[in-house]
Amino acid sequence: DTGVSQDPRHKITKRGQNVTFRCDPISEHNRLYWYRQTLGQGPEFLTYFQNEAQLEKSRLLSDRFSAERPKGSFSTLEIQRTEQGDSAMYLCASSPVNTGELFFGEGSRLTVL
Amino acid sequence: KQEVTQIPAALSVPEGENLVLNCSFTDSAIYNLQWFRQDPGKGLTSLLLIQSSQREQTSGRLNASLDKSSGRSTLYIAASQPGDSATYLCAVTGANSKLTFGKGITLSVRP
Repeated sequence: DTGVSQDPRHKITKRGQNVTFRCDPISEHNRLYWYRQTLGQGPEFLTYFQNEAQLEKSRLLSDRFSAERPKGSFSTLEIQRTEQGDSAMYLCASSPVNTGELFFGEGSRLTVL
Repeated sequence: KQEVTQIPAALSVPEGENLVLNCSFTDSAIYNLQWFRQDPGKGLTSLLLIQSSQREQTSGRLNASLDKSSGRSTLYIAASQPGDSATYLCAVTGANSKLTFGKGITLSVRP
């Protein structure tokens, strides 16, 4: 499968725990994006990378959130000290620079109890 | 700040009907516009991408148009089928490479 893959698909955790999500983009895509989606809403931008450089972060990303893309390939999104309001679907997408077309993974659904 | 609006939020049509989904955006300085499909609990599937210099794109029964100056796009679905039932999201890319989404239109096609 050559699409965007995300792991885990589902994560249930207790409030206060740390969670980490991984995204593997399409191999030739140098841009990688993280979005968050809650029920009934469109996805909201969190951050994006061009190669290994993190170029923009949304103010939605509190200091409990951190994202990395250490070698310009896969990326991780970590949420520390989770809160119930963090419950959402976390979506990863990648795109080539030339077209800007985004391709999304299936998402990682987080439930914080 | 770019805002994307999709109205209505939900639509129900009988099978076989041709339909149009609307999308409007406030800032016409866009790089491209994409239409996505999302099934419940799933990720987004890209349907059509229109670059800012283009007026429309077609894929099978789908046709998307873009009028950048008026801040509007439409997604036309011909001969709708029950399998078309899903949420359709419109998103625009600004000069900052960031995609801004509408809330989507939930389409139900009745057999």
